[in-house]
Amino acid sequence: GENVEQHPSTLSVQEGDSAVIKCTYSDSASNYFPWYKQELGKRPQLIIDIRSNVGEKKDQRIAVTLNKTAKHFSLHITETQPEDSAVYFCAASPDNTGTASKLTFGTGTRLQVTL
Amino acid sequence: DGGITQSPKYLFRKEGQNVTLSCEQNLNHDAMYWYRQDPGQGLRLIYYSQIVNDFQKGDIAEGYSVSREKKESFPLTVTSAQKNPTAFYLCASSVDRASYEQYFGPGTRLTVT
Repeated sequence: GENVEQHPSTLSVQEGDSAVIKCTYSDSASNYFPWYKQELGKRPQLIIDIRSNVGEKKDQRIAVTLNKTAKHFSLHITETQPEDSAVYFCAASPDNTGTASKLTFGTGTRLQVTL
Repeated sequence: DGGITQSPKYLFRKEGQNVTLSCEQNLNHDAMYWYRQDPGQGLRLIYYSQIVNDFQKGDIAEGYSVSREKKESFPLTVTSAQKNPTAFYLCASSVDRASYEQYFGPGTRLTVT
């Protein structure tokens, strides 16, 4: 089955700096890569996703890059703000034709943005 | 918030007892999922269901059971056979079997002593 590794497990940045979280996956059939943000005590929420036919996607201060050859994808947050502090999870899912989307999650990165 | 609900928020049980966690959604989503979240281990898939009266095992189904008698409901039973049931349980749903985005409920924290 799919295996997703995520690094680092914790990340501390100063407000205004950039943060980068990296994930690798094992199953070459995976073609959907979402990122979820989970604030303390709250449910995970999708913040951005990318499909395998795209190399990069941006949404304001957040961007995701995908390298299918190397089987890794990364989350980039620019101009970090205190409200970016949370746990971030990457995930991967194979082509789900005929089945529900089976996400395999990374172990999470706790991002702390300090003033 | 809203759309997918889980109850209760906190649940306490004695070892050896079965316990059922509720998950309800009013989003008209076909697919529903149960995940377990432990510190440092991310989210792991327990069971998922594509349509009513259908469900499949995920990566860690042992000691759990589910039912899908109604489109809006996907209860999870943690049985006494689950060796380490204390965890945070998250339910999710997605539009249909071809949709990728999953929407999560608020979770139930189960403590078994």
